[in-house]
Amino acid sequence: AQSVTQPDIHITVSEGASLELRCNYSYGATPYLFWYVQSPGQGLQLLLKYFSGDTLVQGIKGFEAEFKRSQSSFNLRKPSVHWSDAAEYFCAVVRPSGGSYIPTFGRGTSLIVHP
Amino acid sequence: NAGVTQTPKFRVLKTGQSMTLLCAQDMNHEYMYWYRQDPGMGLRLIHYSVGEGTTAKGEVPDGYNVSRLKKQNFLLGLESAAPSQTSVYFCASRIMGVSYEQYFGPGTRLTVT
Repeated sequence: AQSVTQPDIHITVSEGASLELRCNYSYGATPYLFWYVQSPGQGLQLLLKYFSGDTLVQGIKGFEAEFKRSQSSFNLRKPSVHWSDAAEYFCAVVRPSGGSYIPTFGRGTSLIVHP
Repeated sequence: NAGVTQTPKFRVLKTGQSMTLLCAQDMNHEYMYWYRQDPGMGLRLIHYSVGEGTTAKGEVPDGYNVSRLKKQNFLLGLESAAPSQTSVYFCASRIMGVSYEQYFGPGTRLTVT
């Protein structure tokens, strides 16, 4: 069985500070990895994804993530956080299941940004 | 292009009542999904569909039924609502192929009293 772990339920940062959100997965093969963001009262929006190749991927809104196979991690980073980044962030893994590629989501990390 | 829309946005039900949540997408996507989101639990897959006329169970299907009679619509039914089904329900869709990116609707907040 696969799982996705986001160890931090809440993270608080000051505006302008750097950010790293952690994501670890357990899966027997190389997974497809995603980060989604959910603003209050909204649905989820894709920030970035990793399938293969360069392990550092760039996304929207200035976010990036690095895939580290040895650590089974896919951490999300941003060098300077803006107040509008306050949201819930979800890591997701896609696994093949009869060809339908069912995603599994982590429990989410809530980002609080202080002015 | 409205993307993924969900109807209704809010609903309060009494225990034992039934209702249907509607998800519609105008992107011609083959795959559609229903999730529930509960505090601290992330998103859990209820049912999904890989094409018109096909549905499959996800992680938490009990107490729910679905139908995909038209490619653009995916209905989620609660035959006899229970307080444990109080949640926020999200619909998502994606195109067949290698992108795997899901597009989400704005959600339906359901309270069962």
